[in-house]
This record gives sequence, structure tokens and C-alpha cells, in this order.
Amino acid sequence: DSGVTQTPKHLITATGQRVTLRCSPRSGDLSVYWYQQSLDQGLQFLIQYYNGEERAKGNILERFSAQQFPDLHSELNLSSLELGDSALYFCASSTPNYGYTFGSGTRLTVV
Amino acid sequence: GNSVTQMEGPVTLSEEAFLTINCTYTATGYPSLFWYVQYPGEGLQLLLKATKADDKGSNKGFEATYRKETTSFHLEKGSVQVSDSAVYFCALAGTASKLTFGTGTRLQVTL
Repeated sequence: DSGVTQTPKHLITATGQRVTLRCSPRSGDLSVYWYQQSLDQGLQFLIQYYNGEERAKGNILERFSAQQFPDLHSELNLSSLELGDSALYFCASSTPNYGYTFGSGTRLTVV
Repeated sequence: GNSVTQMEGPVTLSEEAFLTINCTYTATGYPSLFWYVQYPGEGLQLLLKATKADDKGSNKGFEATYRKETTSFHLEKGSVQVSDSAVYFCALAGTASKLTFGTGTRLQVTL
């Protein structure tokens, strides 16, 4: 157990639908990062939150959004899903001295 | 922007062979460098890291040295085992703190 918890582990949904992925960071970590891993794009950084505020944005589509709550857990919302959104979505948390810890990911399949 | 280039796989080796996976990077400033490993069906695990030039990261028999003059962070292991079969990712973290990953190199070790 890495200390970063992601739910659900697997998700199957239809095109056009909306899903929410959840991440609980390692205890004490203020930063949360979301990454998308797909076969053709590799590991792509989506977005970072630090203590509730958006800190950096990467290759995140407008159909996707995220937030970090006061208890530091984060949610990634994916809407108007397309077949190409099928991927593994990873969350990571970090502290300056400890570094980055990844969750085990959510596998999203859009059918 | 920051980028990481690592050798394409798959790399197929016999057990006890010597492993090298090349990784070079482009970054401004003085990034931290990492190797992550992803076993089948699992998330990313930190294998080793180096935070400044000439640092050597090591773990589980794997080593990598931060070479600023050649902007490289090659992963090596003297004698691989079947259990080392996985995908290996080189990554860097710059001033923006998010991780930039290489495309990953699949290692297959056979008996």
C-alpha cells in the first residue's frame, strides 16, 4: 500500500457519459497530481493541486475538470466521454522531502 | 519545455544478463531525476532518484548516475532476474514540480 488511494479501480461506461475518479493522498501530502496513461500517449500530466488550489495545468481537455477538497482528497471529473478517453488514470501526491507517491490507478474503459 | 527521451523497447534479456536502459533529458535549471517501475497491472513505484549532478541513486541492485554534462540518467543492473520484468520510466521534476515522463521501456527477462 503506497498510501495514495484511488477509487474505483475499474470503471466501464458508455460514450457521452460523465464519471468521477477519486484520490486520497498520502497522509500529510498537500500536493495532488493527476496523470493519464494511454497506449498511444504514454504518461501525460493533467493537473496539479496544492492545498486546495490549482497549481499547474498540463494536457487536460476542457471536458475534464478536477478539484481538491479541504480534507485534501481530490476528484477528477471526466464528461462527454469518448472512446479515446479510455486509459489508466493515476493520482500522485508529494511532499518536498519525501517525493512523489503514486496510487494504483483507475482503469477507465469507454464503450 | 522539459522532456525525457528513453530507449525504445522491448528489451529482452536472459536472466543474469547486464541491463542498461538509456535516458536523456532536456530541462532548464537543475531538475531532480527519477526511475519508476510499473509491474503488470500495477501502479508506478519509485525505483530510485537523484537530486543533483553526480548523485548516484540505487535500489534493489539498480543504479543510475545523474550526469549533467551529458544530460543523462541511464539505468543499470548487473544481473537481472525474471522478477525484474516490467516497464521502466525515466522522469524528471523541474521547478514546476510536476513529473515529466519518458515513454517507458518494457523489459522482459527470460530463463
